[in-house]
Amino acid sequence: AQKVTQAQTEISVVEKEDVTLDCVYETRDTTYYLFWYKQPPSGELVFLIRRNSFDEQNEISGRYSWNFQKSTSSFNFTITASQVVDSAVYFCALRGMLGQGGKLIFGQGTELSVKP
Amino acid sequence: AAGVIQSPRHLIKEKRETATLKCYPIPRHDTVYWYQQGPGQDPQFLISFYEKMQSDKGSIPDRFSAQQFSDYHSELNMSSLELGDSALYFCASSSAEAEVADTQYFGPGTRLTVL
Repeated sequence: AQKVTQAQTEISVVEKEDVTLDCVYETRDTTYYLFWYKQPPSGELVFLIRRNSFDEQNEISGRYSWNFQKSTSSFNFTITASQVVDSAVYFCALRGMLGQGGKLIFGQGTELSVKP
Repeated sequence: AAGVIQSPRHLIKEKRETATLKCYPIPRHDTVYWYQQGPGQDPQFLISFYEKMQSDKGSIPDRFSAQQFSDYHSELNMSSLELGDSALYFCASSSAEAEVADTQYFGPGTRLTVL
C-alpha cells in the first residue's frame, strides 16, 4: 500500500524565518514520483515540484528548496525567508508508476501561517 | 498558458437532487482525473480517464458516474445527492508528453454545497 505522512498539521512562523515542511512516504514501487502542491486560502491546488525516485539530486528554486532522501523515504520542503504570501496548506503527494493508473496519494497537508 | 477549466465554480443543491460538474483539460493533455476534497481533508481520488477510456477508479460512490468525451472534456455526474457530498471537487489533467511529464495540473475546483 502507498501512504504519505505529513506529521506537522500546523506551523506558524514570523516573516523572514526559514521553515521546513516534512514529508515521509511508503511505497513498494521501485519507481515513483513525489510532488508538492500549494493550496492558498483561495482554494486552488498549485503544482510546485515533481521528483523522480531515481533522481535524488536536491533542487532549489528561488526561496524554495527540496531535500529528497530515499534512504529515509523523505521528501522535505524548505522555504527560506518566509513571506506572508507563503501562508497556505502544503500537500506532499506520491504517484506510483505501475498499476495505479497515475492517481495521486496525498498527505494530510501542513497548514503554514506566516505572520508579519 | 492555458489551465484546466472547471464549471461551475460554485453549486448549491438540495438533498436527492442531481449535479453535473464539467472539466476542460489543458490542450493536448490526454488524461483527466477527478478528486474530492472534504473540509479540512486532503484530496481523495475518485476516477480517471486516459484517451476517453476509464483508467482507474477510487472511492467513487455508485451514485456518481463520469465520462470523457471526444473533445477530451470530462463530466462528473452525481445523483441522489447527500449532505456528505458537500466538498470541493477538483479536476486535473496530465500528459506523458508535457514539459513536466505525468504531472497533474489542477483546475480551480467546483465547490458543491448540498442543503
